[in-house]
Amino acid sequence: GENVEQHPSTLSVQEGDSAVIKCTYSDSASNYFPWYKQELGKRPQLIIDIRSNVGEKKDQRIAVTLNKTAKHFSLHITETQPEDSAVYFCAASPGGSNYKLTFGKGTLLTVNP
Amino acid sequence: ETGVTQSPTHLIKTRGQQVTLRCSSQSGHNTVSWYQQALGQGPQFIFQYYREEENGRGNFPPRFSGLQFPNYSSELNVNALELDDSALYLCASSKGQGYTGELFFGEGSRLTVL
Repeated sequence: GENVEQHPSTLSVQEGDSAVIKCTYSDSASNYFPWYKQELGKRPQLIIDIRSNVGEKKDQRIAVTLNKTAKHFSLHITETQPEDSAVYFCAASPGGSNYKLTFGKGTLLTVNP
Repeated sequence: ETGVTQSPTHLIKTRGQQVTLRCSSQSGHNTVSWYQQALGQGPQFIFQYYREEENGRGNFPPRFSGLQFPNYSSELNVNALELDDSALYLCASSKGQGYTGELFFGEGSRLTVL
C-alpha cells in the first residue's frame, strides 16, 4: 500500500519568513496530493491540492510543487503570519473508485511574532 | 450549506465495551469516509461508504464496522474496545464515487478507552 513520509516533524520560523514542508510517497499510482491544515482541537481543512498532470500550483502565499519522477511534493508558505501556526498534513491518493487518502504524520509549524 | 457534524464529541469507554459514533454528511455529498487519528499522528483511513455500500477499507480489523443510511449519514461501530482504540475519529464527506476532490471533515469524536 501507499506510504507517505513527511519532514520535518516540527518547524519554527520568524514571522515573514518562508516555510517549506516536504513529503515523499511510494505508490506510483497516486495522482492526487492534498495538503490539510489542522489547528489545535479543530478539524483538518484543505488548503491546497495538486494533481499529477500539474507540476506546481499557487494560491496567494501558498504553493505546492510535485515531482512525479522522484515521488515527492512540497508545500511552500511565504510571508508567514502567526495565524499560519498549525499542524500541516500532506496526503496522497490514487483516486479512482476507491478514494482513500494516505496521510503523512504531520508537521507542527510555529510562526513566532 | 450544512457542514459535516459528528456526535458525540467526547466519550469514555472501558476495555471490551462497544461504541457507536455518528456522522451527518455535508449537504449534497453521498460519500462518507472514516479516519482514525491517534495523538500526534496523521489520520488513518478506516473505510469509505458510497450509496450505503462499503467502498474500500483500510488496515483495520473486522471489529470496526460501519453503516451508511439512505440520507447519507453514517455510523462507525467498534466492538471489543482496546486501549489502542483511544483516538480522534474523523468523518469526512465528499461527492460521488471516484471523485477525487476535497474531503470535508467533521470536528471528530474523541474516544478514550480505559
